[in-house]
Amino acid sequence: DQQVKQNSPSLSVQEGRISILNCDYTNSMFDYFLWYKKYPAEGPTFLISISSIKDKNEDGRFTVFLNKSAKHLSLHIVPSQPGDSAVYFCAASSRLSGNTGKLIFGQGTTLQVKP
Amino acid sequence: DSGVTQTPKHLITATGQRVTLRCSPRSGDLSVYWYQQSLDQGLQFLIQYYNGEERAKGNILERFSAQQFPDLHSELNLSSLELGDSALYFCASSVGWGLANYGYTFGSGTRLTVV
Repeated sequence: DQQVKQNSPSLSVQEGRISILNCDYTNSMFDYFLWYKKYPAEGPTFLISISSIKDKNEDGRFTVFLNKSAKHLSLHIVPSQPGDSAVYFCAASSRLSGNTGKLIFGQGTTLQVKP
Repeated sequence: DSGVTQTPKHLITATGQRVTLRCSPRSGDLSVYWYQQSLDQGLQFLIQYYNGEERAKGNILERFSAQQFPDLHSELNLSSLELGDSALYFCASSVGWGLANYGYTFGSGTRLTVV
């Protein structure tokens, strides 16, 4: 049962344009969402997060949008840079109810930003 | 360097064998998490320890076991290995037992290949 899904395995965009990565979830108990970025031969690194009480969170070139009714979140990168080329993982947590650190991850989307 | 150290980086072993993966958390972190990433899959939560005690358990096989020692390092033991156990195994750490705003910090992983 895949509770967090990233339906696009890969995405290719031109440098300077917008990258939009999507993530869907099924569990209505999820109340905290994170995006991680992973380069080859490295572990995932935290990028940005959002609580279910918000619908948008912005950090520099990165913005995460949350649509609770659709159980959908997206990560926007503007403008995209070649150094953004990596695998992006969406993750979700039942932070308030579970009180553990357990995260449920999507399968990841490989982003390629072309110069 | 994330501060989370995993050894070894690579491990090749035969079916039926037993291996031990080691993780040293970031200085000051009390929680350790283990995740498995199989080919084309997201990270699957295995288990969480907090200050030496098991805190949360995921879909960890009975052939797998883990522990966290008084010095806070953790070991993941995999026994009766099968070809399907080939995967990247990530360790992560955080200060508390719940999910921090940034999630947690991952190590660079151990790549296990069972032949």
